[in-house]
Amino acid sequence: KNQVEQSPQSLIILEGKNCTLQCNYTVSPFSNLRWYKQDTGRGPVSLTIMTFSENTKSNGRYTATLDADTKQSSLHITASQLSDSASYICVVISGGYNKLIFGAGTRLAVHP
Amino acid sequence: NAGVMQNPRHLVRRRGQEARLRCSPMKGHSHVYWYRQLPEEGLKFMVYLQKENIIDESGMPKERFSAEFPKEGPSILRIQQVVRGDSAAYFCASSPLGDKNTEAFFGQGTRLTVV
Repeated sequence: KNQVEQSPQSLIILEGKNCTLQCNYTVSPFSNLRWYKQDTGRGPVSLTIMTFSENTKSNGRYTATLDADTKQSSLHITASQLSDSASYICVVISGGYNKLIFGAGTRLAVHP
Repeated sequence: NAGVMQNPRHLVRRRGQEARLRCSPMKGHSHVYWYRQLPEEGLKFMVYLQKENIIDESGMPKERFSAEFPKEGPSILRIQQVVRGDSAAYFCASSPLGDKNTEAFFGQGTRLTVV
């Protein structure tokens, strides 16, 4: 069964600190992996897209890693800001088109 | 270029009524996807449509749910005879191409509440 599991479920950090969110997947065949940010009451917004051959990709203060052998990915957020408070969702694409398999997300709260 | 537009943003229906959710994709996008998010859960794929065609409806409940994407106008997700368990956020996404490497952009969602 195709699954995407994320940890932790929720996380509280202080403004300015770094954090790392984890994603494990059992999806086959694997096409690519994406991290999305979802603010409360809004639609998901893409942060990064990683293909099988990519190990690391950065987007500003967000850095995603992918280990296709162990089927693990992480999202590292540097120097957190209050506006980073949101759910971060790991999404895996299996197959030839945009059929997204979503994890349940990690709910991040950044406190001043 | 406006983003993916969904309306209404909030919809309240009584049990047994019909719910119609509309999605206007981004300009130039001919591929539309519908997802459902139950409270405290991740988004779940429902259906993938291309203009006038249903490509994959493997995530759609077998009864009461239907979707269309006509040649002209928005994509419509229709839920007949709604029940309390249909209460959820329904998100639409669109992309210019259907391939795996093309990013899909999401709308703000329609929050359906069945009372």
